Amino acid sequence: NAGVTQTPKFRVLKTGQSMTLLCAQDMNHEYMYWYRQDPGMGLRLIHYSVGEGTTAKGEVPDGYNVSRLKKQNFLLGLESAAPSQTSVYFCASSYGIALHFGNGTRLTVT
Amino acid sequence: KNQVEQSPQSLIILEGKNCTLQCNYTVSPFSNLRWYKQDTGRGPVSLTIMTFSENTKSNGRYTATLDADTKQSSLHITASQLSDSASYICVVSPWSGAGSYQLTFGKGTKLSVIP
Repeated sequence: NAGVTQTPKFRVLKTGQSMTLLCAQDMNHEYMYWYRQDPGMGLRLIHYSVGEGTTAKGEVPDGYNVSRLKKQNFLLGLESAAPSQTSVYFCASSYGIALHFGNGTRLTVT
Repeated sequence: KNQVEQSPQSLIILEGKNCTLQCNYTVSPFSNLRWYKQDTGRGPVSLTIMTFSENTKSNGRYTATLDADTKQSSLHITASQLSDSASYICVVSPWSGAGSYQLTFGKGTKLSVIP
């Protein structure tokens, strides 16, 4: 039982490049989330999903897109990366009120 | 605006000593308050979840208290260990149903335990 797995762990992008972050959970959770964590700030919700085939915007959705084609996977896409998107990205899943986080992807945009 | 304020920002204590971390919130309505531990380079891990009616909850050497009237919570760590070095994040939810998409996160307290 791996819990929540994020790939890749690290990535460096140039401004304007695109990439997809993958999140996979093996707990059969309905809810999945993407957060970003920046120095001196609390975790902020980017997008979330309440079930397969559904997505919704969180607090800071601009510049990101997501897809939930399968219940166990939640993808976060950056179409045209900007330096302001340099951050650590965390995926989480939940059933009930307990949140389970992955170990993050550290993204640097130069 | 919903806010969660944590203090201190950072704290250094000697191994074996106790410490208390504070969390004040202005989230309304209030459903539950959570404390997470985040080791460097890892994702947050849940320590405790307290609902409106709970005053105290323990998880090993970690004890969380909640005063919903004053909107304050504390996390007490007893007999600290080097492995307690981490950031501790207070999180408040206004929603009692399934789904955690309305959470307000504090900025965390960075605890360093030194030998």
